[in-house]
Amino acid sequence: SAVISQKPSRDICQRGTSLTIQCQVDSQVTMMFWYRQQPGQSLTLIATANQGSEATYESGFVIDKFPISRPNLTFSTLTVSNMSPEDSSIYLCTIQAANYGYTFGSGTRLTVV
Amino acid sequence: ELKVEQNPLFLSMQEGKNYTIYCNYSTTSDRLYWYRQDPGKSLESLFVLLSNGAVKQEGRLMASLDTKARLSTLHITAAVHDLSATYFCAVDSGSPDKLIFGTGTRLQVFP
Repeated sequence: SAVISQKPSRDICQRGTSLTIQCQVDSQVTMMFWYRQQPGQSLTLIATANQGSEATYESGFVIDKFPISRPNLTFSTLTVSNMSPEDSSIYLCTIQAANYGYTFGSGTRLTVV
Repeated sequence: ELKVEQNPLFLSMQEGKNYTIYCNYSTTSDRLYWYRQDPGKSLESLFVLLSNGAVKQEGRLMASLDTKARLSTLHITAAVHDLSATYFCAVDSGSPDKLIFGTGTRLQVFP
């Protein structure tokens, strides 16, 4: 099955700054997804990123805050912009794998101070 | 809008006991997933259930899916401490494909 490399694994950032998270997949995939997991909470879908088109954002998430790039079929980035402490979360990228399975990256633990 | 509910939210159980976690969802789907998450870690796939009546077992865990009732269960048999983790169910309603997660069940197994 496909392997996802996600980085950074963790970061501590100052409020007002931005952080870009990268996900690299070892095979070509059509759809990539970005999730947020706030402390002690479940996972919430931020957006779906298909190569060659604009990302589709879920309710409550906007492109200005979470711009996503998907330049090719193996790579995507999520930027968390103008961060505040409320953005402190784990961010995970996901791909749809073979046989309808989903594979998750190792996650980025973000702390905003 | 697809909603996924799990219960209980928290489960403290003694080693050797059996228990069931329930996952209800609000719209038609025949694709349901169970994941395990250890503290500070990403998600580990446990089961992928793709049809009504699907049942899968791995060790002390067994998952089933009833698409008519929009219900999946994760049954734990003779719990051991190593099963302590948070368990999530997730549903893919398709059109477009995307996973919607349940609230999670934090399982703690004690001696």
